[in-house]
Amino acid sequence: SAVISQKPSRDICQRGTSLTIQCQVDSQVTMMFWYRQQPGQSLTLIATANQGSEATYESGFVIDKFPISRPNLTFSTLTVSNMSPEDSSIYLCSTSGLAGWETQYFGPGTRLLVL
Amino acid sequence: GIQVEQSPPDLILQEGANSTLRCNFSDSVNNLQWFHQNPWGQLINLFYIPSGTKQNGRLSATTVATERYSLLYISSSQTTDSGVYFCAVEREKTSYDKVIFGPGTSLSVIP
Repeated sequence: SAVISQKPSRDICQRGTSLTIQCQVDSQVTMMFWYRQQPGQSLTLIATANQGSEATYESGFVIDKFPISRPNLTFSTLTVSNMSPEDSSIYLCSTSGLAGWETQYFGPGTRLLVL
Repeated sequence: GIQVEQSPPDLILQEGANSTLRCNFSDSVNNLQWFHQNPWGQLINLFYIPSGTKQNGRLSATTVATERYSLLYISSSQTTDSGVYFCAVEREKTSYDKVIFGPGTSLSVIP
């Protein structure tokens, strides 16, 4: 199994600012994923973070708004840029382990409120 | 793309009751998981079950891939079972494809 931590756990931000969320996994993993969960909604995949290459973004999400870094096999960051109240959500980091897509594990999430 | 539906959307149970949650999907899948999101937002993997039946304590799950549905059974429910239950599917087996989450079933177990 994988143990995932995220920082910060929650934050309140002013519109127009940016927030960088960190995700740390306790073991090396191939793929890391970033999800958004808007209030009362299900999870939506933002992007897949690949080590050593550009992140792969899903439809509706762009790199300028959600830049992602993946400097090694245990760490990734997601930045929410130029925030607006519509960005208020829970942001979750996830991984499927070193062997490929199998049991998926999630971090505790970062609760973001944009005023 | 693949569509995932879950039913019922909301469920209230008396402690000790049993329940069945359903997940329907519109296309063939090679991977399916059930998750529980507790009231504090933490997502916990319950089952990795692309086909067949698995049991873990009071919970069990069955996926009938040929008929494109999966069921999650909760027996003798407890208040700690409250939260949202999601199923998530992936189409491709040989390479990573987009993981699609269903809309969830919100469960409240009352004493």
